[in-house]
Amino acid sequence: EVHLVESGGGLVQPGGSLRLSCAASGFTFTKHNMNWVRQAPGKGLEWVSKITSTGYTIYYADSVKGRFTISRDNAKNSLYLQMNSLRAEDTAVYYCARDALNDLCLFDYWGQGTLVTVSS
Amino acid sequence: QSVLTQPPSASGTPGQRVTISCSGSSSNIGTNVVYWYQQLPGTAPKLLICRNDQRPSGVPDRFSASTSGTSASLAISGLRSEDEADYYCAAWDGRLSGQVVFGGGTKLTVL
Repeated sequence: EVHLVESGGGLVQPGGSLRLSCAASGFTFTKHNMNWVRQAPGKGLEWVSKITSTGYTIYYADSVKGRFTISRDNAKNSLYLQMNSLRAEDTAVYYCARDALNDLCLFDYWGQGTLVTVSS
Repeated sequence: QSVLTQPPSASGTPGQRVTISCSGSSSNIGTNVVYWYQQLPGTAPKLLICRNDQRPSGVPDRFSASTSGTSASLAISGLRSEDEADYYCAAWDGRLSGQVVFGGGTKLTVL
């Protein structure tokens, strides 16, 4: 069974940094592209970043480009999101989401999310 | 506002058929496949429709979807109380350097 478990969320001051992790299990992590998707309180979904299975190709939403860095450790079956220069508008639940094999489907499995609150 | 446009709300009675629209442009829905997600209250989103009209295993055939030009729609037939949720469409946007865009979401209420 596919499991994605996010961790690392919490309260951080504006301008601060936070590193999110996503532990994957139940599938061959090295074969799948992975994503971060966020949802501000009471708002809709916003795609944040994607990293391909090898880690060679990365995409970012314009709203986080230059501040966030996605990475993965295939040996540890883990996905990460380093968030720097955090702003109040980055406050959201951050979900880790898997893409199906060969990009046949976006976000076919999701984690339960971790809450990031940016506030002084 | 969102790149893809959805009505903020929709409603129906049990057994009814409801549709939710998703409007985009030539750079997203017009040239790329559309996905639909269901988010039940207090839970993570779940994949509902893949590649315009394909239901993953486990998704009831009461859910169907289609695309036409730069628009897409999700249909739910035989509406049930457990279908009350937020529904989101998504697609790649070629004008945004490989970024994925979502609709703003539609809150479906079963009356």
